[in-house]
Amino acid sequence: NAGVMQNPRHLVRRRGQEARLRCSPMKGHSHVYWYRQLPEEGLKFMVYLQKENIIDESGMPKERFSAEFPKEGPSILRIQQVVRGDSAAYFCASSQGQGAWEQYFGPGTRLTVT
Amino acid sequence: GNSVTQMEGPVTLSEEAFLTINCTYTATGYPSLFWYVQYPGEGLQLLLKATKADDKGSNKGFEATYRKETTSFHLEKGSVQVSDSAVYFCALSGDSNYQLIWGAGTKLIIKP
Repeated sequence: NAGVMQNPRHLVRRRGQEARLRCSPMKGHSHVYWYRQLPEEGLKFMVYLQKENIIDESGMPKERFSAEFPKEGPSILRIQQVVRGDSAAYFCASSQGQGAWEQYFGPGTRLTVT
Repeated sequence: GNSVTQMEGPVTLSEEAFLTINCTYTATGYPSLFWYVQYPGEGLQLLLKATKADDKGSNKGFEATYRKETTSFHLEKGSVQVSDSAVYFCALSGDSNYQLIWGAGTKLIIKP
């Protein structure tokens, strides 16, 4: 059973460009979570999605960031008009149920904004 | 609000040394506590967990005890191996059942 897949693993964008980060959950998992890790800090919760629904986006910045988890295909975290402060590692997790201990994490995408 | 503080790294030890990585927390209510490990190039893996005071989580020789009186969840291992080299994250469950509040991570380097 393949684990949580994230791609790309490394992404470089110039200021003002768009970044699209993909997350394929483990087979059978319908809950997806996105976390961001800024340099020298712990992970911060961004958003929790189930298929076609955003359940909790309380950790998402109000502007430029959006997330989706369509019926078919991976979950996408989209950052428009990136700025240097968006440089971070973005981790995706998936789970079958809703408990925190049930989350399986991907290897992360490291975004660098130049 | 809830928060987690971990000792800063990197922590460098020789093989077979005793390991302690400190973790303290601030929380309202009774959160569950977790240790995650991230090996180079891989995703975070749940290492162990404890769901109530005085519980001891253990896995792969690692242990941590949920100490409510000292608000701590220190990670210990009696004899580390080179293969334990990784980044270790302490975390607690937030106000909702699914949110995790994270420490900054501690890099562990084990030298042969």
